[in-house]
Amino acid sequence: DTAVSQTPKYLVTQMGNDKSIKCEQNLGHDTMYWYKQDSKKFLKIMFSYNNKELIINETVPNRFSPKSPDKAHLNLHINSLELGDSAVYFCASSPRQGHQETQYFGPGTRLLVL
Amino acid sequence: SQKIEQNSEALNIQEGKTATLTCNYTNYSPAYLQWYRQDPGRGPVFLLLIRENEKEKRKERLKVTFDTTLKQSLFHITASQPADSATYLCALVTGTASKLTFGTGTRLQVTL
Repeated sequence: DTAVSQTPKYLVTQMGNDKSIKCEQNLGHDTMYWYKQDSKKFLKIMFSYNNKELIINETVPNRFSPKSPDKAHLNLHINSLELGDSAVYFCASSPRQGHQETQYFGPGTRLLVL
Repeated sequence: SQKIEQNSEALNIQEGKTATLTCNYTNYSPAYLQWYRQDPGRGPVFLLLIRENEKEKRKERLKVTFDTTLKQSLFHITASQPADSATYLCALVTGTASKLTFGTGTRLQVTL
C-alpha cells in the first residue's frame, strides 16, 4: 500500500562512481519531484516533472539527470559522485501542478559517498 | 536575498502546553504556505495549507496563521503530547509550478 516508494533505502559508494535512485508512486498523480536534504536537514527542490515533462530544474550540477519513463516513475541518475553529494534524497508526488497541491513524500534514500 | 527562517532550531515544551512555531520570510510573495511534519528517518508529511487571503486555518489541535504584512506564519499545537515531538517545516508555494521552498525547520520536543 506504499504511496511513494524509493529504492534503494541506503546507498554507500565510492567517489567517482555512477548510481541511480528509483521512485514510484501508486497514487495516480501527475507531478513528481526530487528533493535533497543535506546534513543540516535543509530540504531543497532539485527537479519536478509533470506528466513526464520537466517543469522545474533548479541549479543542480549536470551530473544529476532525472528521467521519467511514465508519470508513475521518476528516477535520478548521478554521474561521477562527489563527497558533497552525500545527503538524503526524497522523491515526492502531487495530484497535479498547482499552488494548492499537497506533496506526498517517499521515505528517502540515504546516499553516502566515501 | 530570499530567506525563510523558522524561529529556533529546537523548542522544548511540557506536555499539555501550547507549542508555537514561527516561520518568517523575506523577499517572497507566496500564494500559499504549507506546514509539514518530519519524523527522524522519514519523509515530510503534509499537515496544513493556508492561502494568502486566509488569516487562520485549524485542524484538530493544530492552528496556522498567515500574516502577509508581517511576512510571518505561526503554527500552534494545543494540548501538546509527546507524540507531537518531531521536526516541523514551513514551506512557501510560489510560481505556477508547485514549487515548494522549505524553511530550516524547528525540532519540537514535548516532555512529560
